[in-house]
Amino acid sequence: QITLKESGPTLVKPTQTLTLTCTFSGFSLSTSGVGVAWIRQPPGKALEWLALIYRNDDKLYRPSLKSRLTITTDTSKSQVVLTMTNMDPVDTATYFCARRPTAGSHPDYWGQGTLVTVSS
Amino acid sequence: EIVMTQSPATLSVSPGERATLSCRASQSVSSNLAWYQQKPGQAPRLLIYGASTRATGIPARFSGSGSGTEFTLTISRLQSEDFAVYYCQQYTEWWTFGQGTKVEIK
Repeated sequence: QITLKESGPTLVKPTQTLTLTCTFSGFSLSTSGVGVAWIRQPPGKALEWLALIYRNDDKLYRPSLKSRLTITTDTSKSQVVLTMTNMDPVDTATYFCARRPTAGSHPDYWGQGTLVTVSS
Repeated sequence: EIVMTQSPATLSVSPGERATLSCRASQSVSSNLAWYQQKPGQAPRLLIYGASTRATGIPARFSGSGSGTEFTLTISRLQSEDFAVYYCQQYTEWWTFGQGTKVEIK
């Protein structure tokens, strides 16, 4: 059974760094083509892909946010961590992690999401 | 960035009727197009990938078509559980999503 679950703070202050963890089970990032991505959704708005990690250490970032994002993995714990620096109120959103099952494909399994509010 | 544009923004449909949702890509994405259903407070649920292949467990009343830049999701006979927001997503060049179509009860 494939599951993913996000964890992290629900409230961060402007200019702070956000660290989110995705803990997954039922698959391995060591499998060729498999990846874990982060996607966010501001309240009432559309989905926005942020970052992807695959082959344990290959990474892709949304170009407009690349300077603020870092995605890493801890394979021993089956976790993927996303850090986003210099948080702003516009970054308030539900943050999801999701699995990419094969190279060049779509996300199939998603976590439940975690709402992060940026406010002083 | 490949921009995905969905229409209409809101679709009012009676239960049992057909719903047709459109998605247009700003450049060709071949058949690298997925559709998701999202209900309030929930994660998106994969319905269709490869433009026309239903995901595991998705009822046959959901069907997808199209290629290149024009895509359609059809729900043949709407049931109460189908009222939700639907997103299209391309995966040719990283991932971008449409802004969503809300299917509401008429």
